Amino acid sequence: QITLKESGPTLVKPTQTLTLTCTFSGFSLNTGGVSVGWIRQPPGKALEWIAVVYWNNDKRYSTSLKSRLSISQDTSKNQVVLTMTNMDPVDTATYFCAHEAVTSDNAFDFWGRGTMVTVSS
Amino acid sequence: QSVLTQPPSVSGAPGQKVTISCTGSSSNIGAGFDVHWYQQFPGSAPRLLLFGNNNRPSGVPDRFSGSKSGTSASLAISGLQPEDEADYYCQSYDTNLSANWVFGGGTKLTVL
Repeated sequence: QITLKESGPTLVKPTQTLTLTCTFSGFSLNTGGVSVGWIRQPPGKALEWIAVVYWNNDKRYSTSLKSRLSISQDTSKNQVVLTMTNMDPVDTATYFCAHEAVTSDNAFDFWGRGTMVTVSS
Repeated sequence: QSVLTQPPSVSGAPGQKVTISCTGSSSNIGAGFDVHWYQQFPGSAPRLLLFGNNNRPSGVPDRFSGSKSGTSASLAISGLQPEDEADYYCQSYDTNLSANWVFGGGTKLTVL
């Protein structure tokens, strides 16, 4: 079965760079039509899509965050890494990674449990 | 301000039917892009409820259904049950510069 798990620091200081890792199993990012995305959710607020990396290594970013983001994949380790620079307290949120596939009309059909990141000095 | 607009809250009694709307624009739902729906319980990750407007993943009861028309979509829940109390989010694709994937602001469903 498909599983995803996010890992990374729970606390970062303002201006620091956040690096999050999504480790997955049950699928391969070498498979056509498969991608892994990142979505975040500030406490008590709505979901916000951040970035996605596709099976062909195509990458897309939220326009409002694009200048601060980088997403990469390590297919040998079944991992996707998201980096976000210049962190600010407004970036405090739970960060989720999720599996997306054309077989689900590109919906996020499997999600990790999420990892809470607090930005504070 | 979310690109897709949902009512902040809806409520219904057990057994009733409720609908949750998701209003977009010509750059997302109105452009023909699919709408997906997610259910989220407090402290948990979202769960895919419907994909491609009205397709249920395995395990989702047929009490949940979706529709799309013009620049809007709706999620209907019939035979409301106490365990349906959760937050619901719609999602679609947007061609404007703001983002690629966009989510609605979420709707809190209360079962009275």
